[in-house]
Amino acid sequence: NAGVMQNPRHLVRRRGQEARLRCSPMKGHSHVYWYRQLPEEGLKFMVYLQKENIIDESGMPKERFSAEFPKEGPSILRIQQVVRGDSAAYFCASSPTSEGFNEQYFGPGTRLTVT
Amino acid sequence: AQSVSQHNHHVILSEAASLELGCNYSYGGTVNLFWYVQYPGQHLQLLLKYFSGDPLVKGIKGFEAEFIKSKFSFNLRKPSVQWSDTAEYFCAVNARNTDKLIFGTGTRLQVFP
Repeated sequence: NAGVMQNPRHLVRRRGQEARLRCSPMKGHSHVYWYRQLPEEGLKFMVYLQKENIIDESGMPKERFSAEFPKEGPSILRIQQVVRGDSAAYFCASSPTSEGFNEQYFGPGTRLTVT
Repeated sequence: AQSVSQHNHHVILSEAASLELGCNYSYGGTVNLFWYVQYPGQHLQLLLKYFSGDPLVKGIKGFEAEFIKSKFSFNLRKPSVQWSDTAEYFCAVNARNTDKLIFGTGTRLQVFP
């Protein structure tokens, strides 16, 4: 029973390039959450998605960041025109439902380095 | 706004020592509480969780946590740590009317044999 999969595990981008981070939830899970961990900080919520819907994007920066979770395929977190401050670990989590008590299962993370 | 405070950023212990990691949260409503652990090179794993009922919660690997509502605290404990407990520990809170987890900054635990 595969867990939450994220790829790539490490991503290096130059300033101004685009970064695409992928997350495949656990089998049977239809809810995906993205978190960002900056150096020396805890994980910060970015966005919560269900299939084809963004439910809560209150933690997403207003510019350059977008997320989607299409009907088929993984969830994608997209960062356009990356800057050095985007360097962080990006974690994806999934849960089977958001009803009631939502235990979230985390992936291994993608470490983005912007040079 | 909700927030979670973990008072100890870095804890160093010898094997067999007792462990207590502090966690306080700020939120006036009903919450779910979690402790996650991240072993070196691995992803976050759930250690234990509190939703309701007995405020003393037992998790995996001998860990337990006690929810004290009056103190807004959810401290993690283990009576005797092992070298394999070396990891980073995160306390997290979820307000029951939202779906996101609010994390503390984490506590890095190093256990020496």
